[in-house]
Amino acid sequence: SYELTQPPSVSVSPGQTASITCSGDELGDKYVSWYQQRPGQSPVLVIYQDTKRPSGIPERFSGSSSGNTATLTISGTQAMDEADYYCQAWDSNTAVFGGGTKLTVL
Amino acid sequence: QLQLQESGPGLVKPSETLSLTCTVSGGSISSNTYYWGWIRQPPGKGLEWIGSIHYSGSTYYNPSLKSRVAISVDTSKNQFSLKLSSVTAADTAVYYCARLGLYYYDSSYYLNCFDPWGQGTLVTVSS
Repeated sequence: SYELTQPPSVSVSPGQTASITCSGDELGDKYVSWYQQRPGQSPVLVIYQDTKRPSGIPERFSGSSSGNTATLTISGTQAMDEADYYCQAWDSNTAVFGGGTKLTVL
Repeated sequence: QLQLQESGPGLVKPSETLSLTCTVSGGSISSNTYYWGWIRQPPGKGLEWIGSIHYSGSTYYNPSLKSRVAISVDTSKNQFSLKLSSVTAADTAVYYCARLGLYYYDSSYYLNCFDPWGQGTLVTVSS
């Protein structure tokens, strides 16, 4: 079955740039979505179709994809961005989520 | 603003069937450009997609759960439902419902992203 791999944790200082990667076979041929999940809350879509940002999501969130890796970048990271982040893609009409990355804002 | 709300028993006995309903408000479930999905999250773990349904009845299921899952839709009530049979403790999780968007490319629609999500409901499997 298809797998997406994320680093378990990423740390960043306030105001700095955080990058969270998501890797999978031929991932560049698929669209990737990213979800933010704050503690005790439901996931929220922050990036879809690799690079698009839903309305209401701050401009500091951006996405990119190249080769077998997709990346979520948070510029000027704020304390409120501390959360779990999940990537997601489709493989043969099956939704696959990455294992999640805990972003800590130190 | 579209909202989704999960409902159903919070406690299910092992070997029985878990049944949940998602009520959609602020919009119609009968849209050609959306599917509706179920995703679960065991305590302290990651997200797992269960399956999705279109108002027409078209479904997609996670192969790992397919033999135990049935998702149905009731357009008259603007609801869709999940049934998961023969549950075990491993099925203990927060269950979310979400709208699944489609994107159009080269004369076809493709499955896209989940947005928005319901608040989730914890289902515990225990005797």
